[in-house]
Amino acid sequence: DAGVIQSPRHEVTEMGQEVTLRCKPISGHNSLFWYRQTMMRGLELLIYFNNNVPIDDSGMPEDRFSAKMPNASFSTLKIQPSEPRDSAVYFCASSLVLAGGGEQYFGPGTRLTVT
Amino acid sequence: SQQGEEDPQALSIQEGENATMNCSYKTSINNLQWYRQNSGRGLVHLILIRSNEREKHSGRLRVTLDTSKKSSSLLITASRAADTASYFCASGGGADGLTFGKGTHLIIQP
Repeated sequence: DAGVIQSPRHEVTEMGQEVTLRCKPISGHNSLFWYRQTMMRGLELLIYFNNNVPIDDSGMPEDRFSAKMPNASFSTLKIQPSEPRDSAVYFCASSLVLAGGGEQYFGPGTRLTVT
Repeated sequence: SQQGEEDPQALSIQEGENATMNCSYKTSINNLQWYRQNSGRGLVHLILIRSNEREKHSGRLRVTLDTSKKSSSLLITASRAADTASYFCASGGGADGLTFGKGTHLIIQP
């Protein structure tokens, strides 16, 4: 398996522009997670889906952030409009939940820079 | 908010020595996980210990859990240069998101 795939790997955009980050989870996994990593705040959970349904989006910082999972093999995280403080590395992770807690598999991340 | 707090924030040791990192958490947990992150890369799962377990081993890794003290430790024995990375403890997982600590940055000197 190719693992979790994220695109783009790097994104540089100007303040006010729309940014869309993409994620393809591992085939067969039923949960998908979006995290953000910054030096100041560390790793933060933004939103997660179980069986394509959003479960908890309390970590989404503002209404400028939205996430979708139209099917089991694709998810997007959109920021509109983007701001310089959104600069961070955004990770997508997936897991197969059978019973109880389990490990998550992370993608390589998208490094976003908003100027 | 951060669930776990790793200690120390940074650790530098000689190759071949053992490295110990600690993690304290605040709320009750079902399990605790440790992840490694190499510079500029995604996180890699190392080991999961459940709340009813006290110790777990995986290769050169040893994890302990003390639920009464709300703390866990990760021991890496016979360290290698390739172990240089940041190490995070995290609670949750499975169908729920993970809550991470701030991490310990480990440097193995050759």
